[in-house]
Amino acid sequence: GENVEQHPSTLSVQEGDSAVIKCTYSDSASNYFPWYKQELGKRPQLIIDIRSNVGEKKDQRIAVTLNKTAKHFSLHITETQPEDSAVYFCAARPNQAGTALIFGKGTTLSVSS
Amino acid sequence: EAEVAQSPRYKITEKSQAVAFWCDPISGHATLYWYRQILGQGPELLVQFQDESVVDDSQLPKDRFSAERLKGVDSTLKIQPAELGDSAMYLCASSWWAQGDEQFFGPGTRLTVL
Repeated sequence: GENVEQHPSTLSVQEGDSAVIKCTYSDSASNYFPWYKQELGKRPQLIIDIRSNVGEKKDQRIAVTLNKTAKHFSLHITETQPEDSAVYFCAARPNQAGTALIFGKGTTLSVSS
Repeated sequence: EAEVAQSPRYKITEKSQAVAFWCDPISGHATLYWYRQILGQGPELLVQFQDESVVDDSQLPKDRFSAERLKGVDSTLKIQPAELGDSAMYLCASSWWAQGDEQFFGPGTRLTVL
């Protein structure tokens, strides 16, 4: 079955710096890759997603890139702010009817001012 | 904005007791998921419903866990008997349909088994 690896597990940056989180997946048939942000004690919330027919997607300060050949995708956050501090999860959805998301283990991002 | 509702938010129980969690998905969402999130890890699927039917329960410990979605709307997840290793966050999510994209998560139920 699908397996998602996420790195790094923790990331500390200064306010204004960029942050990059990387994920790899094993199932070449996976076709949907969302990123969720989870603040302490709160529900995971979708911040950006990408489908397998797209190589890059951007939304203001966040962007996601997908390399299907290498089976990896990355989250890029530019001009980080203290409110970006949270746990970020990548996920992949295998392209089979009725399948759920497979999540990475998460990255704890700390942005210090 | 419509949100997935869950209750209770917190539950403390002793091992061997029974516990139940409730989830009300966003209106109109046919697909409902129960995930378990152990501290420091990503959510892992326990069971998935399409309307009232179970689509995937391969990771559900069926000797102690059960789930139902009788009318294809809200859902209940039960654990009986609870074990120490069941302490975790139980998250419910819903989406429009099985191959629909965005999954919307509820606030979760934090279970502590003593």
